[in-house]
Amino acid sequence: ETGVTQSPTHLIKTRGQQVTLRCSSQSGHNTVSWYQQALGQGPQFIFQYYREEENGRGNFPPRFSGLQFPNYSSELNVNALELDDSALYLCASSLDGPDEQYFGPGTRLTVT
Amino acid sequence: SQQGEEDPQALSIQEGENATMNCSYKTSINNLQWYRQNSGRGLVHLILIRSNEREKHSGRLRVTLDTSKKSSSLLITASRAADTASYFCAPGGQFYFGTGTSLTVIP
Repeated sequence: ETGVTQSPTHLIKTRGQQVTLRCSSQSGHNTVSWYQQALGQGPQFIFQYYREEENGRGNFPPRFSGLQFPNYSSELNVNALELDDSALYLCASSLDGPDEQYFGPGTRLTVT
Repeated sequence: SQQGEEDPQALSIQEGENATMNCSYKTSINNLQWYRQNSGRGLVHLILIRSNEREKHSGRLRVTLDTSKKSSSLLITASRAADTASYFCAPGGQFYFGTGTSLTVIP
């Protein structure tokens, strides 16, 4: 157990809808990163938040957005869902800097 | 890009044998990390090696780092069925993962 939790575990949405995924970081970790992992692929970096500010972003469109809250929780929001958004979404928390990341178990999103 | 590329893509061995997987990267780094992922679950951090280290051990794991060749290797000794998983390297420690090495340990 890493102390990082994610909800929900599984989610089914329809194309065009919006979705919010939630993550609770390990206590004291002020950095959270979100990843998308398609089947058979490695995790792809979406963005990172540090002390509630976006601190880096991967090659994902603006319809992927996030929030980080003072209580170490965070959200990933995806608007206008597309079929290709179907994937495992992982969040990972860490202390300052590029130290080891603690991953949550992920949310499996299916878009139909 | 700091994305690592793991090799081989898939590896199948008998229980008790050693497993070696490799990682190559393209840019200078301060550290390199290895992670394990059991099927459909989150990644678990295994080991971090810094750029001024050539080798590091943790239990049955041995990691080497050759910054001149921009490569790293992960050795798992005396493998067990529970080691069956995908293994990813992360040059620079975060953000960019390759497609991983899928290890199957046959009991």
